[in-house]
Amino acid sequence: QKEVEQNSGPLSVPEGAIASLNCTYSDRGSQSFFWYRQYSGKSPELIMSIYSNGDKEDGRFTAQLNKASQYVSLLIRDSQPSDSATYLCAVPRTGSNYKLTFGKGTLLTVNP
Amino acid sequence: AAGVIQSPRHLIKEKRETATLKCYPIPRHDTVYWYQQGPGQDPQFLISFYEKMQSDKGSIPDRFSAQQFSDYHSELNMSSLELGDSALYFCASSSGRNNEQFFGPGTRLTVL
Repeated sequence: QKEVEQNSGPLSVPEGAIASLNCTYSDRGSQSFFWYRQYSGKSPELIMSIYSNGDKEDGRFTAQLNKASQYVSLLIRDSQPSDSATYLCAVPRTGSNYKLTFGKGTLLTVNP
Repeated sequence: AAGVIQSPRHLIKEKRETATLKCYPIPRHDTVYWYQQGPGQDPQFLISFYEKMQSDKGSIPDRFSAQQFSDYHSELNMSSLELGDSALYFCASSSGRNNEQFFGPGTRLTVL
């Protein structure tokens, strides 16, 4: 099993819809989880961090964490064409001084 | 807010040449990470420094070395460049308190 797995997509949603991105991880000791947005040819941009079970909301973004199921998701409400990007789930490897292990990313396209 | 600075932004080298990439972390961040991202790939961890000491090492070739200086900037030195070294190289920094890593704009290295 890969350490961090994401649906590779591509995921296509209409403008204004909710986009749902999913991620599973293998290390039960993981304590922090990050979502990055990356536009083509650009650097990853941190958009959400989550550390506790449950939901965390920030604007149009909601991260959901379920440690028992080793599952973390990102919901984007009222999706905009500018949200079209690759979304990377990242988990620090435990005992590793926090080096990030990334999923392969999900390419999201929001259609006007 | 100040961000991570990387230089140069673009670099073209010939095979077997040497390259040096520089990274200036966000002020008061004490940890620097280097990642390599090939075309269509997720970022792969290379090496990290905490308070000027190497803190972790990933899939970094022996031809590469890095260090962090007294002013916290870091340099990645790459020798005997190969075609396969062509990639985006990102530097990220964190304050260590919450593990959130913020990425610089990257250096695009092309080896001909």
